[in-house]
Formats: sequence, structure tokens, C-alpha cells
Amino acid sequence: SAVISQKPSRDICQRGTSLTIQCQVDSQVTMMFWYRQQPGQSLTLIATANQGSEATYESGFVIDKFPISRPNLTFSTLTVSNMSPEDSSIYLCSVEGLAGGPDRPYNEQFFGPGTRLTVL
Amino acid sequence: QQPVQSPQAVILREGEDAVINCSSSKALYSVHWYRQKHGEAPVFLMILLKGGEQKGHEKISASFNEKKQQSSLYLTASQLSYSGTYFCGTENSGGYQKVTFGTGTKLQVIP
Repeated sequence: SAVISQKPSRDICQRGTSLTIQCQVDSQVTMMFWYRQQPGQSLTLIATANQGSEATYESGFVIDKFPISRPNLTFSTLTVSNMSPEDSSIYLCSVEGLAGGPDRPYNEQFFGPGTRLTVL
Repeated sequence: QQPVQSPQAVILREGEDAVINCSSSKALYSVHWYRQKHGEAPVFLMILLKGGEQKGHEKISASFNEKKQQSSLYLTASQLSYSGTYFCGTENSGGYQKVTFGTGTKLQVIP
């Protein structure tokens, strides 16, 4: 399993400002994922971050709004830019490890504790 | 498209059983199950791979019917600690693929 930490754990921000969320993993991982979970809702994937390449964004999420960095195999940041109250949510970092043998590979996925963001 | 879970919510008394269903409109390679307690991150429970496997974890087990593109999570003799929101997560192929999370089922176990 992977141990994941996120900073900050929570923040209250003003409309129009930006917040950068950090995600640190205790082991090297190829892929890191950023999810958003709005109150009472399921998890929605924002983007996938691979080290050394640009992040891949899901439909409805754009780089200008959610720029992501992945400088090495244990660290990533997600910035929520020009925030509005609709961005109030929990943002979760996740990593994936490929398990199983070559014939039946599968992914184990682990989550960080999340960053609870409130935008006023 | 997001997998649909049923029921949306369920209340159980300690010791009762429950079944949570997850249904996808796409062919599946694997189904994951997670439990999320209030204010915490989701915790991985188990994964089922293509092949109709049924896996168990203490008193929680699950099945995967790839033809029907469905999975079910079985909770037997429920305990207070089972309370939380359960999510299924699906992958459409093996290797490094993103997991799409289901709509969620809120489970509350009462004494």
C-alpha cells in the first residue's frame, strides 16, 4: 500500500483567488490522479498526472482552471484557479499500483486524506 | 458513463444483511469496491476481475457478472463499523486505466 499526504487539509478562500494543493506519496508511482468530490456526491476524476508529461484532463476540466504539476515520481500539485463558490469541494489525490501477474493485471488505488476547500 | 448503484441508501440493524448493486452500461474488465466514512478518504475493500470471481473480505464479499456488466457487494451480519458510503469503481480494460466511480450507496447500521 501507499501512504499519501495532502496539504492543506482544509482552507477557506475568497472568490477570484487560487489555491495550490500538494500531494506527497511515500513511494515512487507512475500515475497520480486528482479527484473532486462535491458534498454528498461521488468522486469525479479531474485529471491524470504522469511524471514528465502534461496531465490528461477529463471532459469538463481544463488546464487553465486546474493546472497540475508532476515534477517527480512522488509529488504532484493541483491548483484551483480563479475560484468561485462552485469550486467548494473536497479534492483528493490518488495513486495506483499495478498488481497481479502479467496475465491478469489489475490496479490497486489508494487515496490521500483530501483537501476540503470552501470558497466564499 | 457513471455506473449506477442501488439502493441509494439503506438502514440496517446490527446483524442484518445487505446487498449493494453496481451496474455499468459498458463492458467491464474489473470492479473495485470502496467504503468512505464521513469526513474521510475512500478505502479500498476489494477488486474483482473479469471471470465472474467472487471474493471475500471478512464478512464482506462480492460477485462480478461480466455478461450483465454488474457487480454486487454482500454485507452479512452487519456491524456498526460498516456504516459509510460504498462506491463501486469500474475499469473497462486492464493495465493502467482510470477508475470510474459509481453513484454511491449510503449505508447506516444502527444498534
